[in-house]
Amino acid sequence: AQSVTQPDIHITVSEGASLELRCNYSYGATPYLFWYVQSPGQGLQLLLKYFSGDTLVQGIKGFEAEFKRSQSSFNLRKPSVHWSDAAEYFCALSYSGGGADGLTFGKGTHLIIQP
Amino acid sequence: NAGVTQTPKFRILKIGQSMTLQCAQDMNHNYMYWYRQDPGMGLKLIYYSVGAGITDKGEVPNGYNVSRSTTEDFPLRLELAAPSQTSVYFCASRNRGQGSETQYFGPGTRLLVL
Repeated sequence: AQSVTQPDIHITVSEGASLELRCNYSYGATPYLFWYVQSPGQGLQLLLKYFSGDTLVQGIKGFEAEFKRSQSSFNLRKPSVHWSDAAEYFCALSYSGGGADGLTFGKGTHLIIQP
Repeated sequence: NAGVTQTPKFRILKIGQSMTLQCAQDMNHNYMYWYRQDPGMGLKLIYYSVGAGITDKGEVPNGYNVSRSTTEDFPLRLELAAPSQTSVYFCASRNRGQGSETQYFGPGTRLLVL
């Protein structure tokens, strides 16, 4: 069965510092991969996605993620965080063969920004 | 476009009561989904639909029912509310077809069962 693991439940980063959020997946083939962000009391907003092609994908709000097949990882990065980046971040995967399957989510990483 | 809308935003239910969570999308998406989010657990799929009249169970369907009479609407029904159904519920939709796997989420409904 497919699964997504986000090893870090909480991460604290100083404003202006760089950020990396980890995501590992288990899947029989190359999945479609997503990062979503959830601000307090809000719904989920798509940051970026990987379907195929270039393994470094750019997203909104200055985020990027790198797909590494050999490590089954899809880590999210940002070179300099802002206080407004404080939120919950979810990595998710989808079956890549078509069909209506839902997303499989990790448990999320709570990002705290220190002034 | 309003995207995916959900009502109500917040509701308190007593054990044994029933209610319907509403979800609508105006993007003409074929596929719609219901997820629940519990603290520290991510989101889990309850039910999904590939089109009007067609629904299927997800990972955690017990205690819920759905229907899909139109492309736009996908209500989620709780018949006998239990404390274990206290959660935040998200509806999502997407287009069909390979390459259209991005799901668009509504703002959520927070449900408290006491």
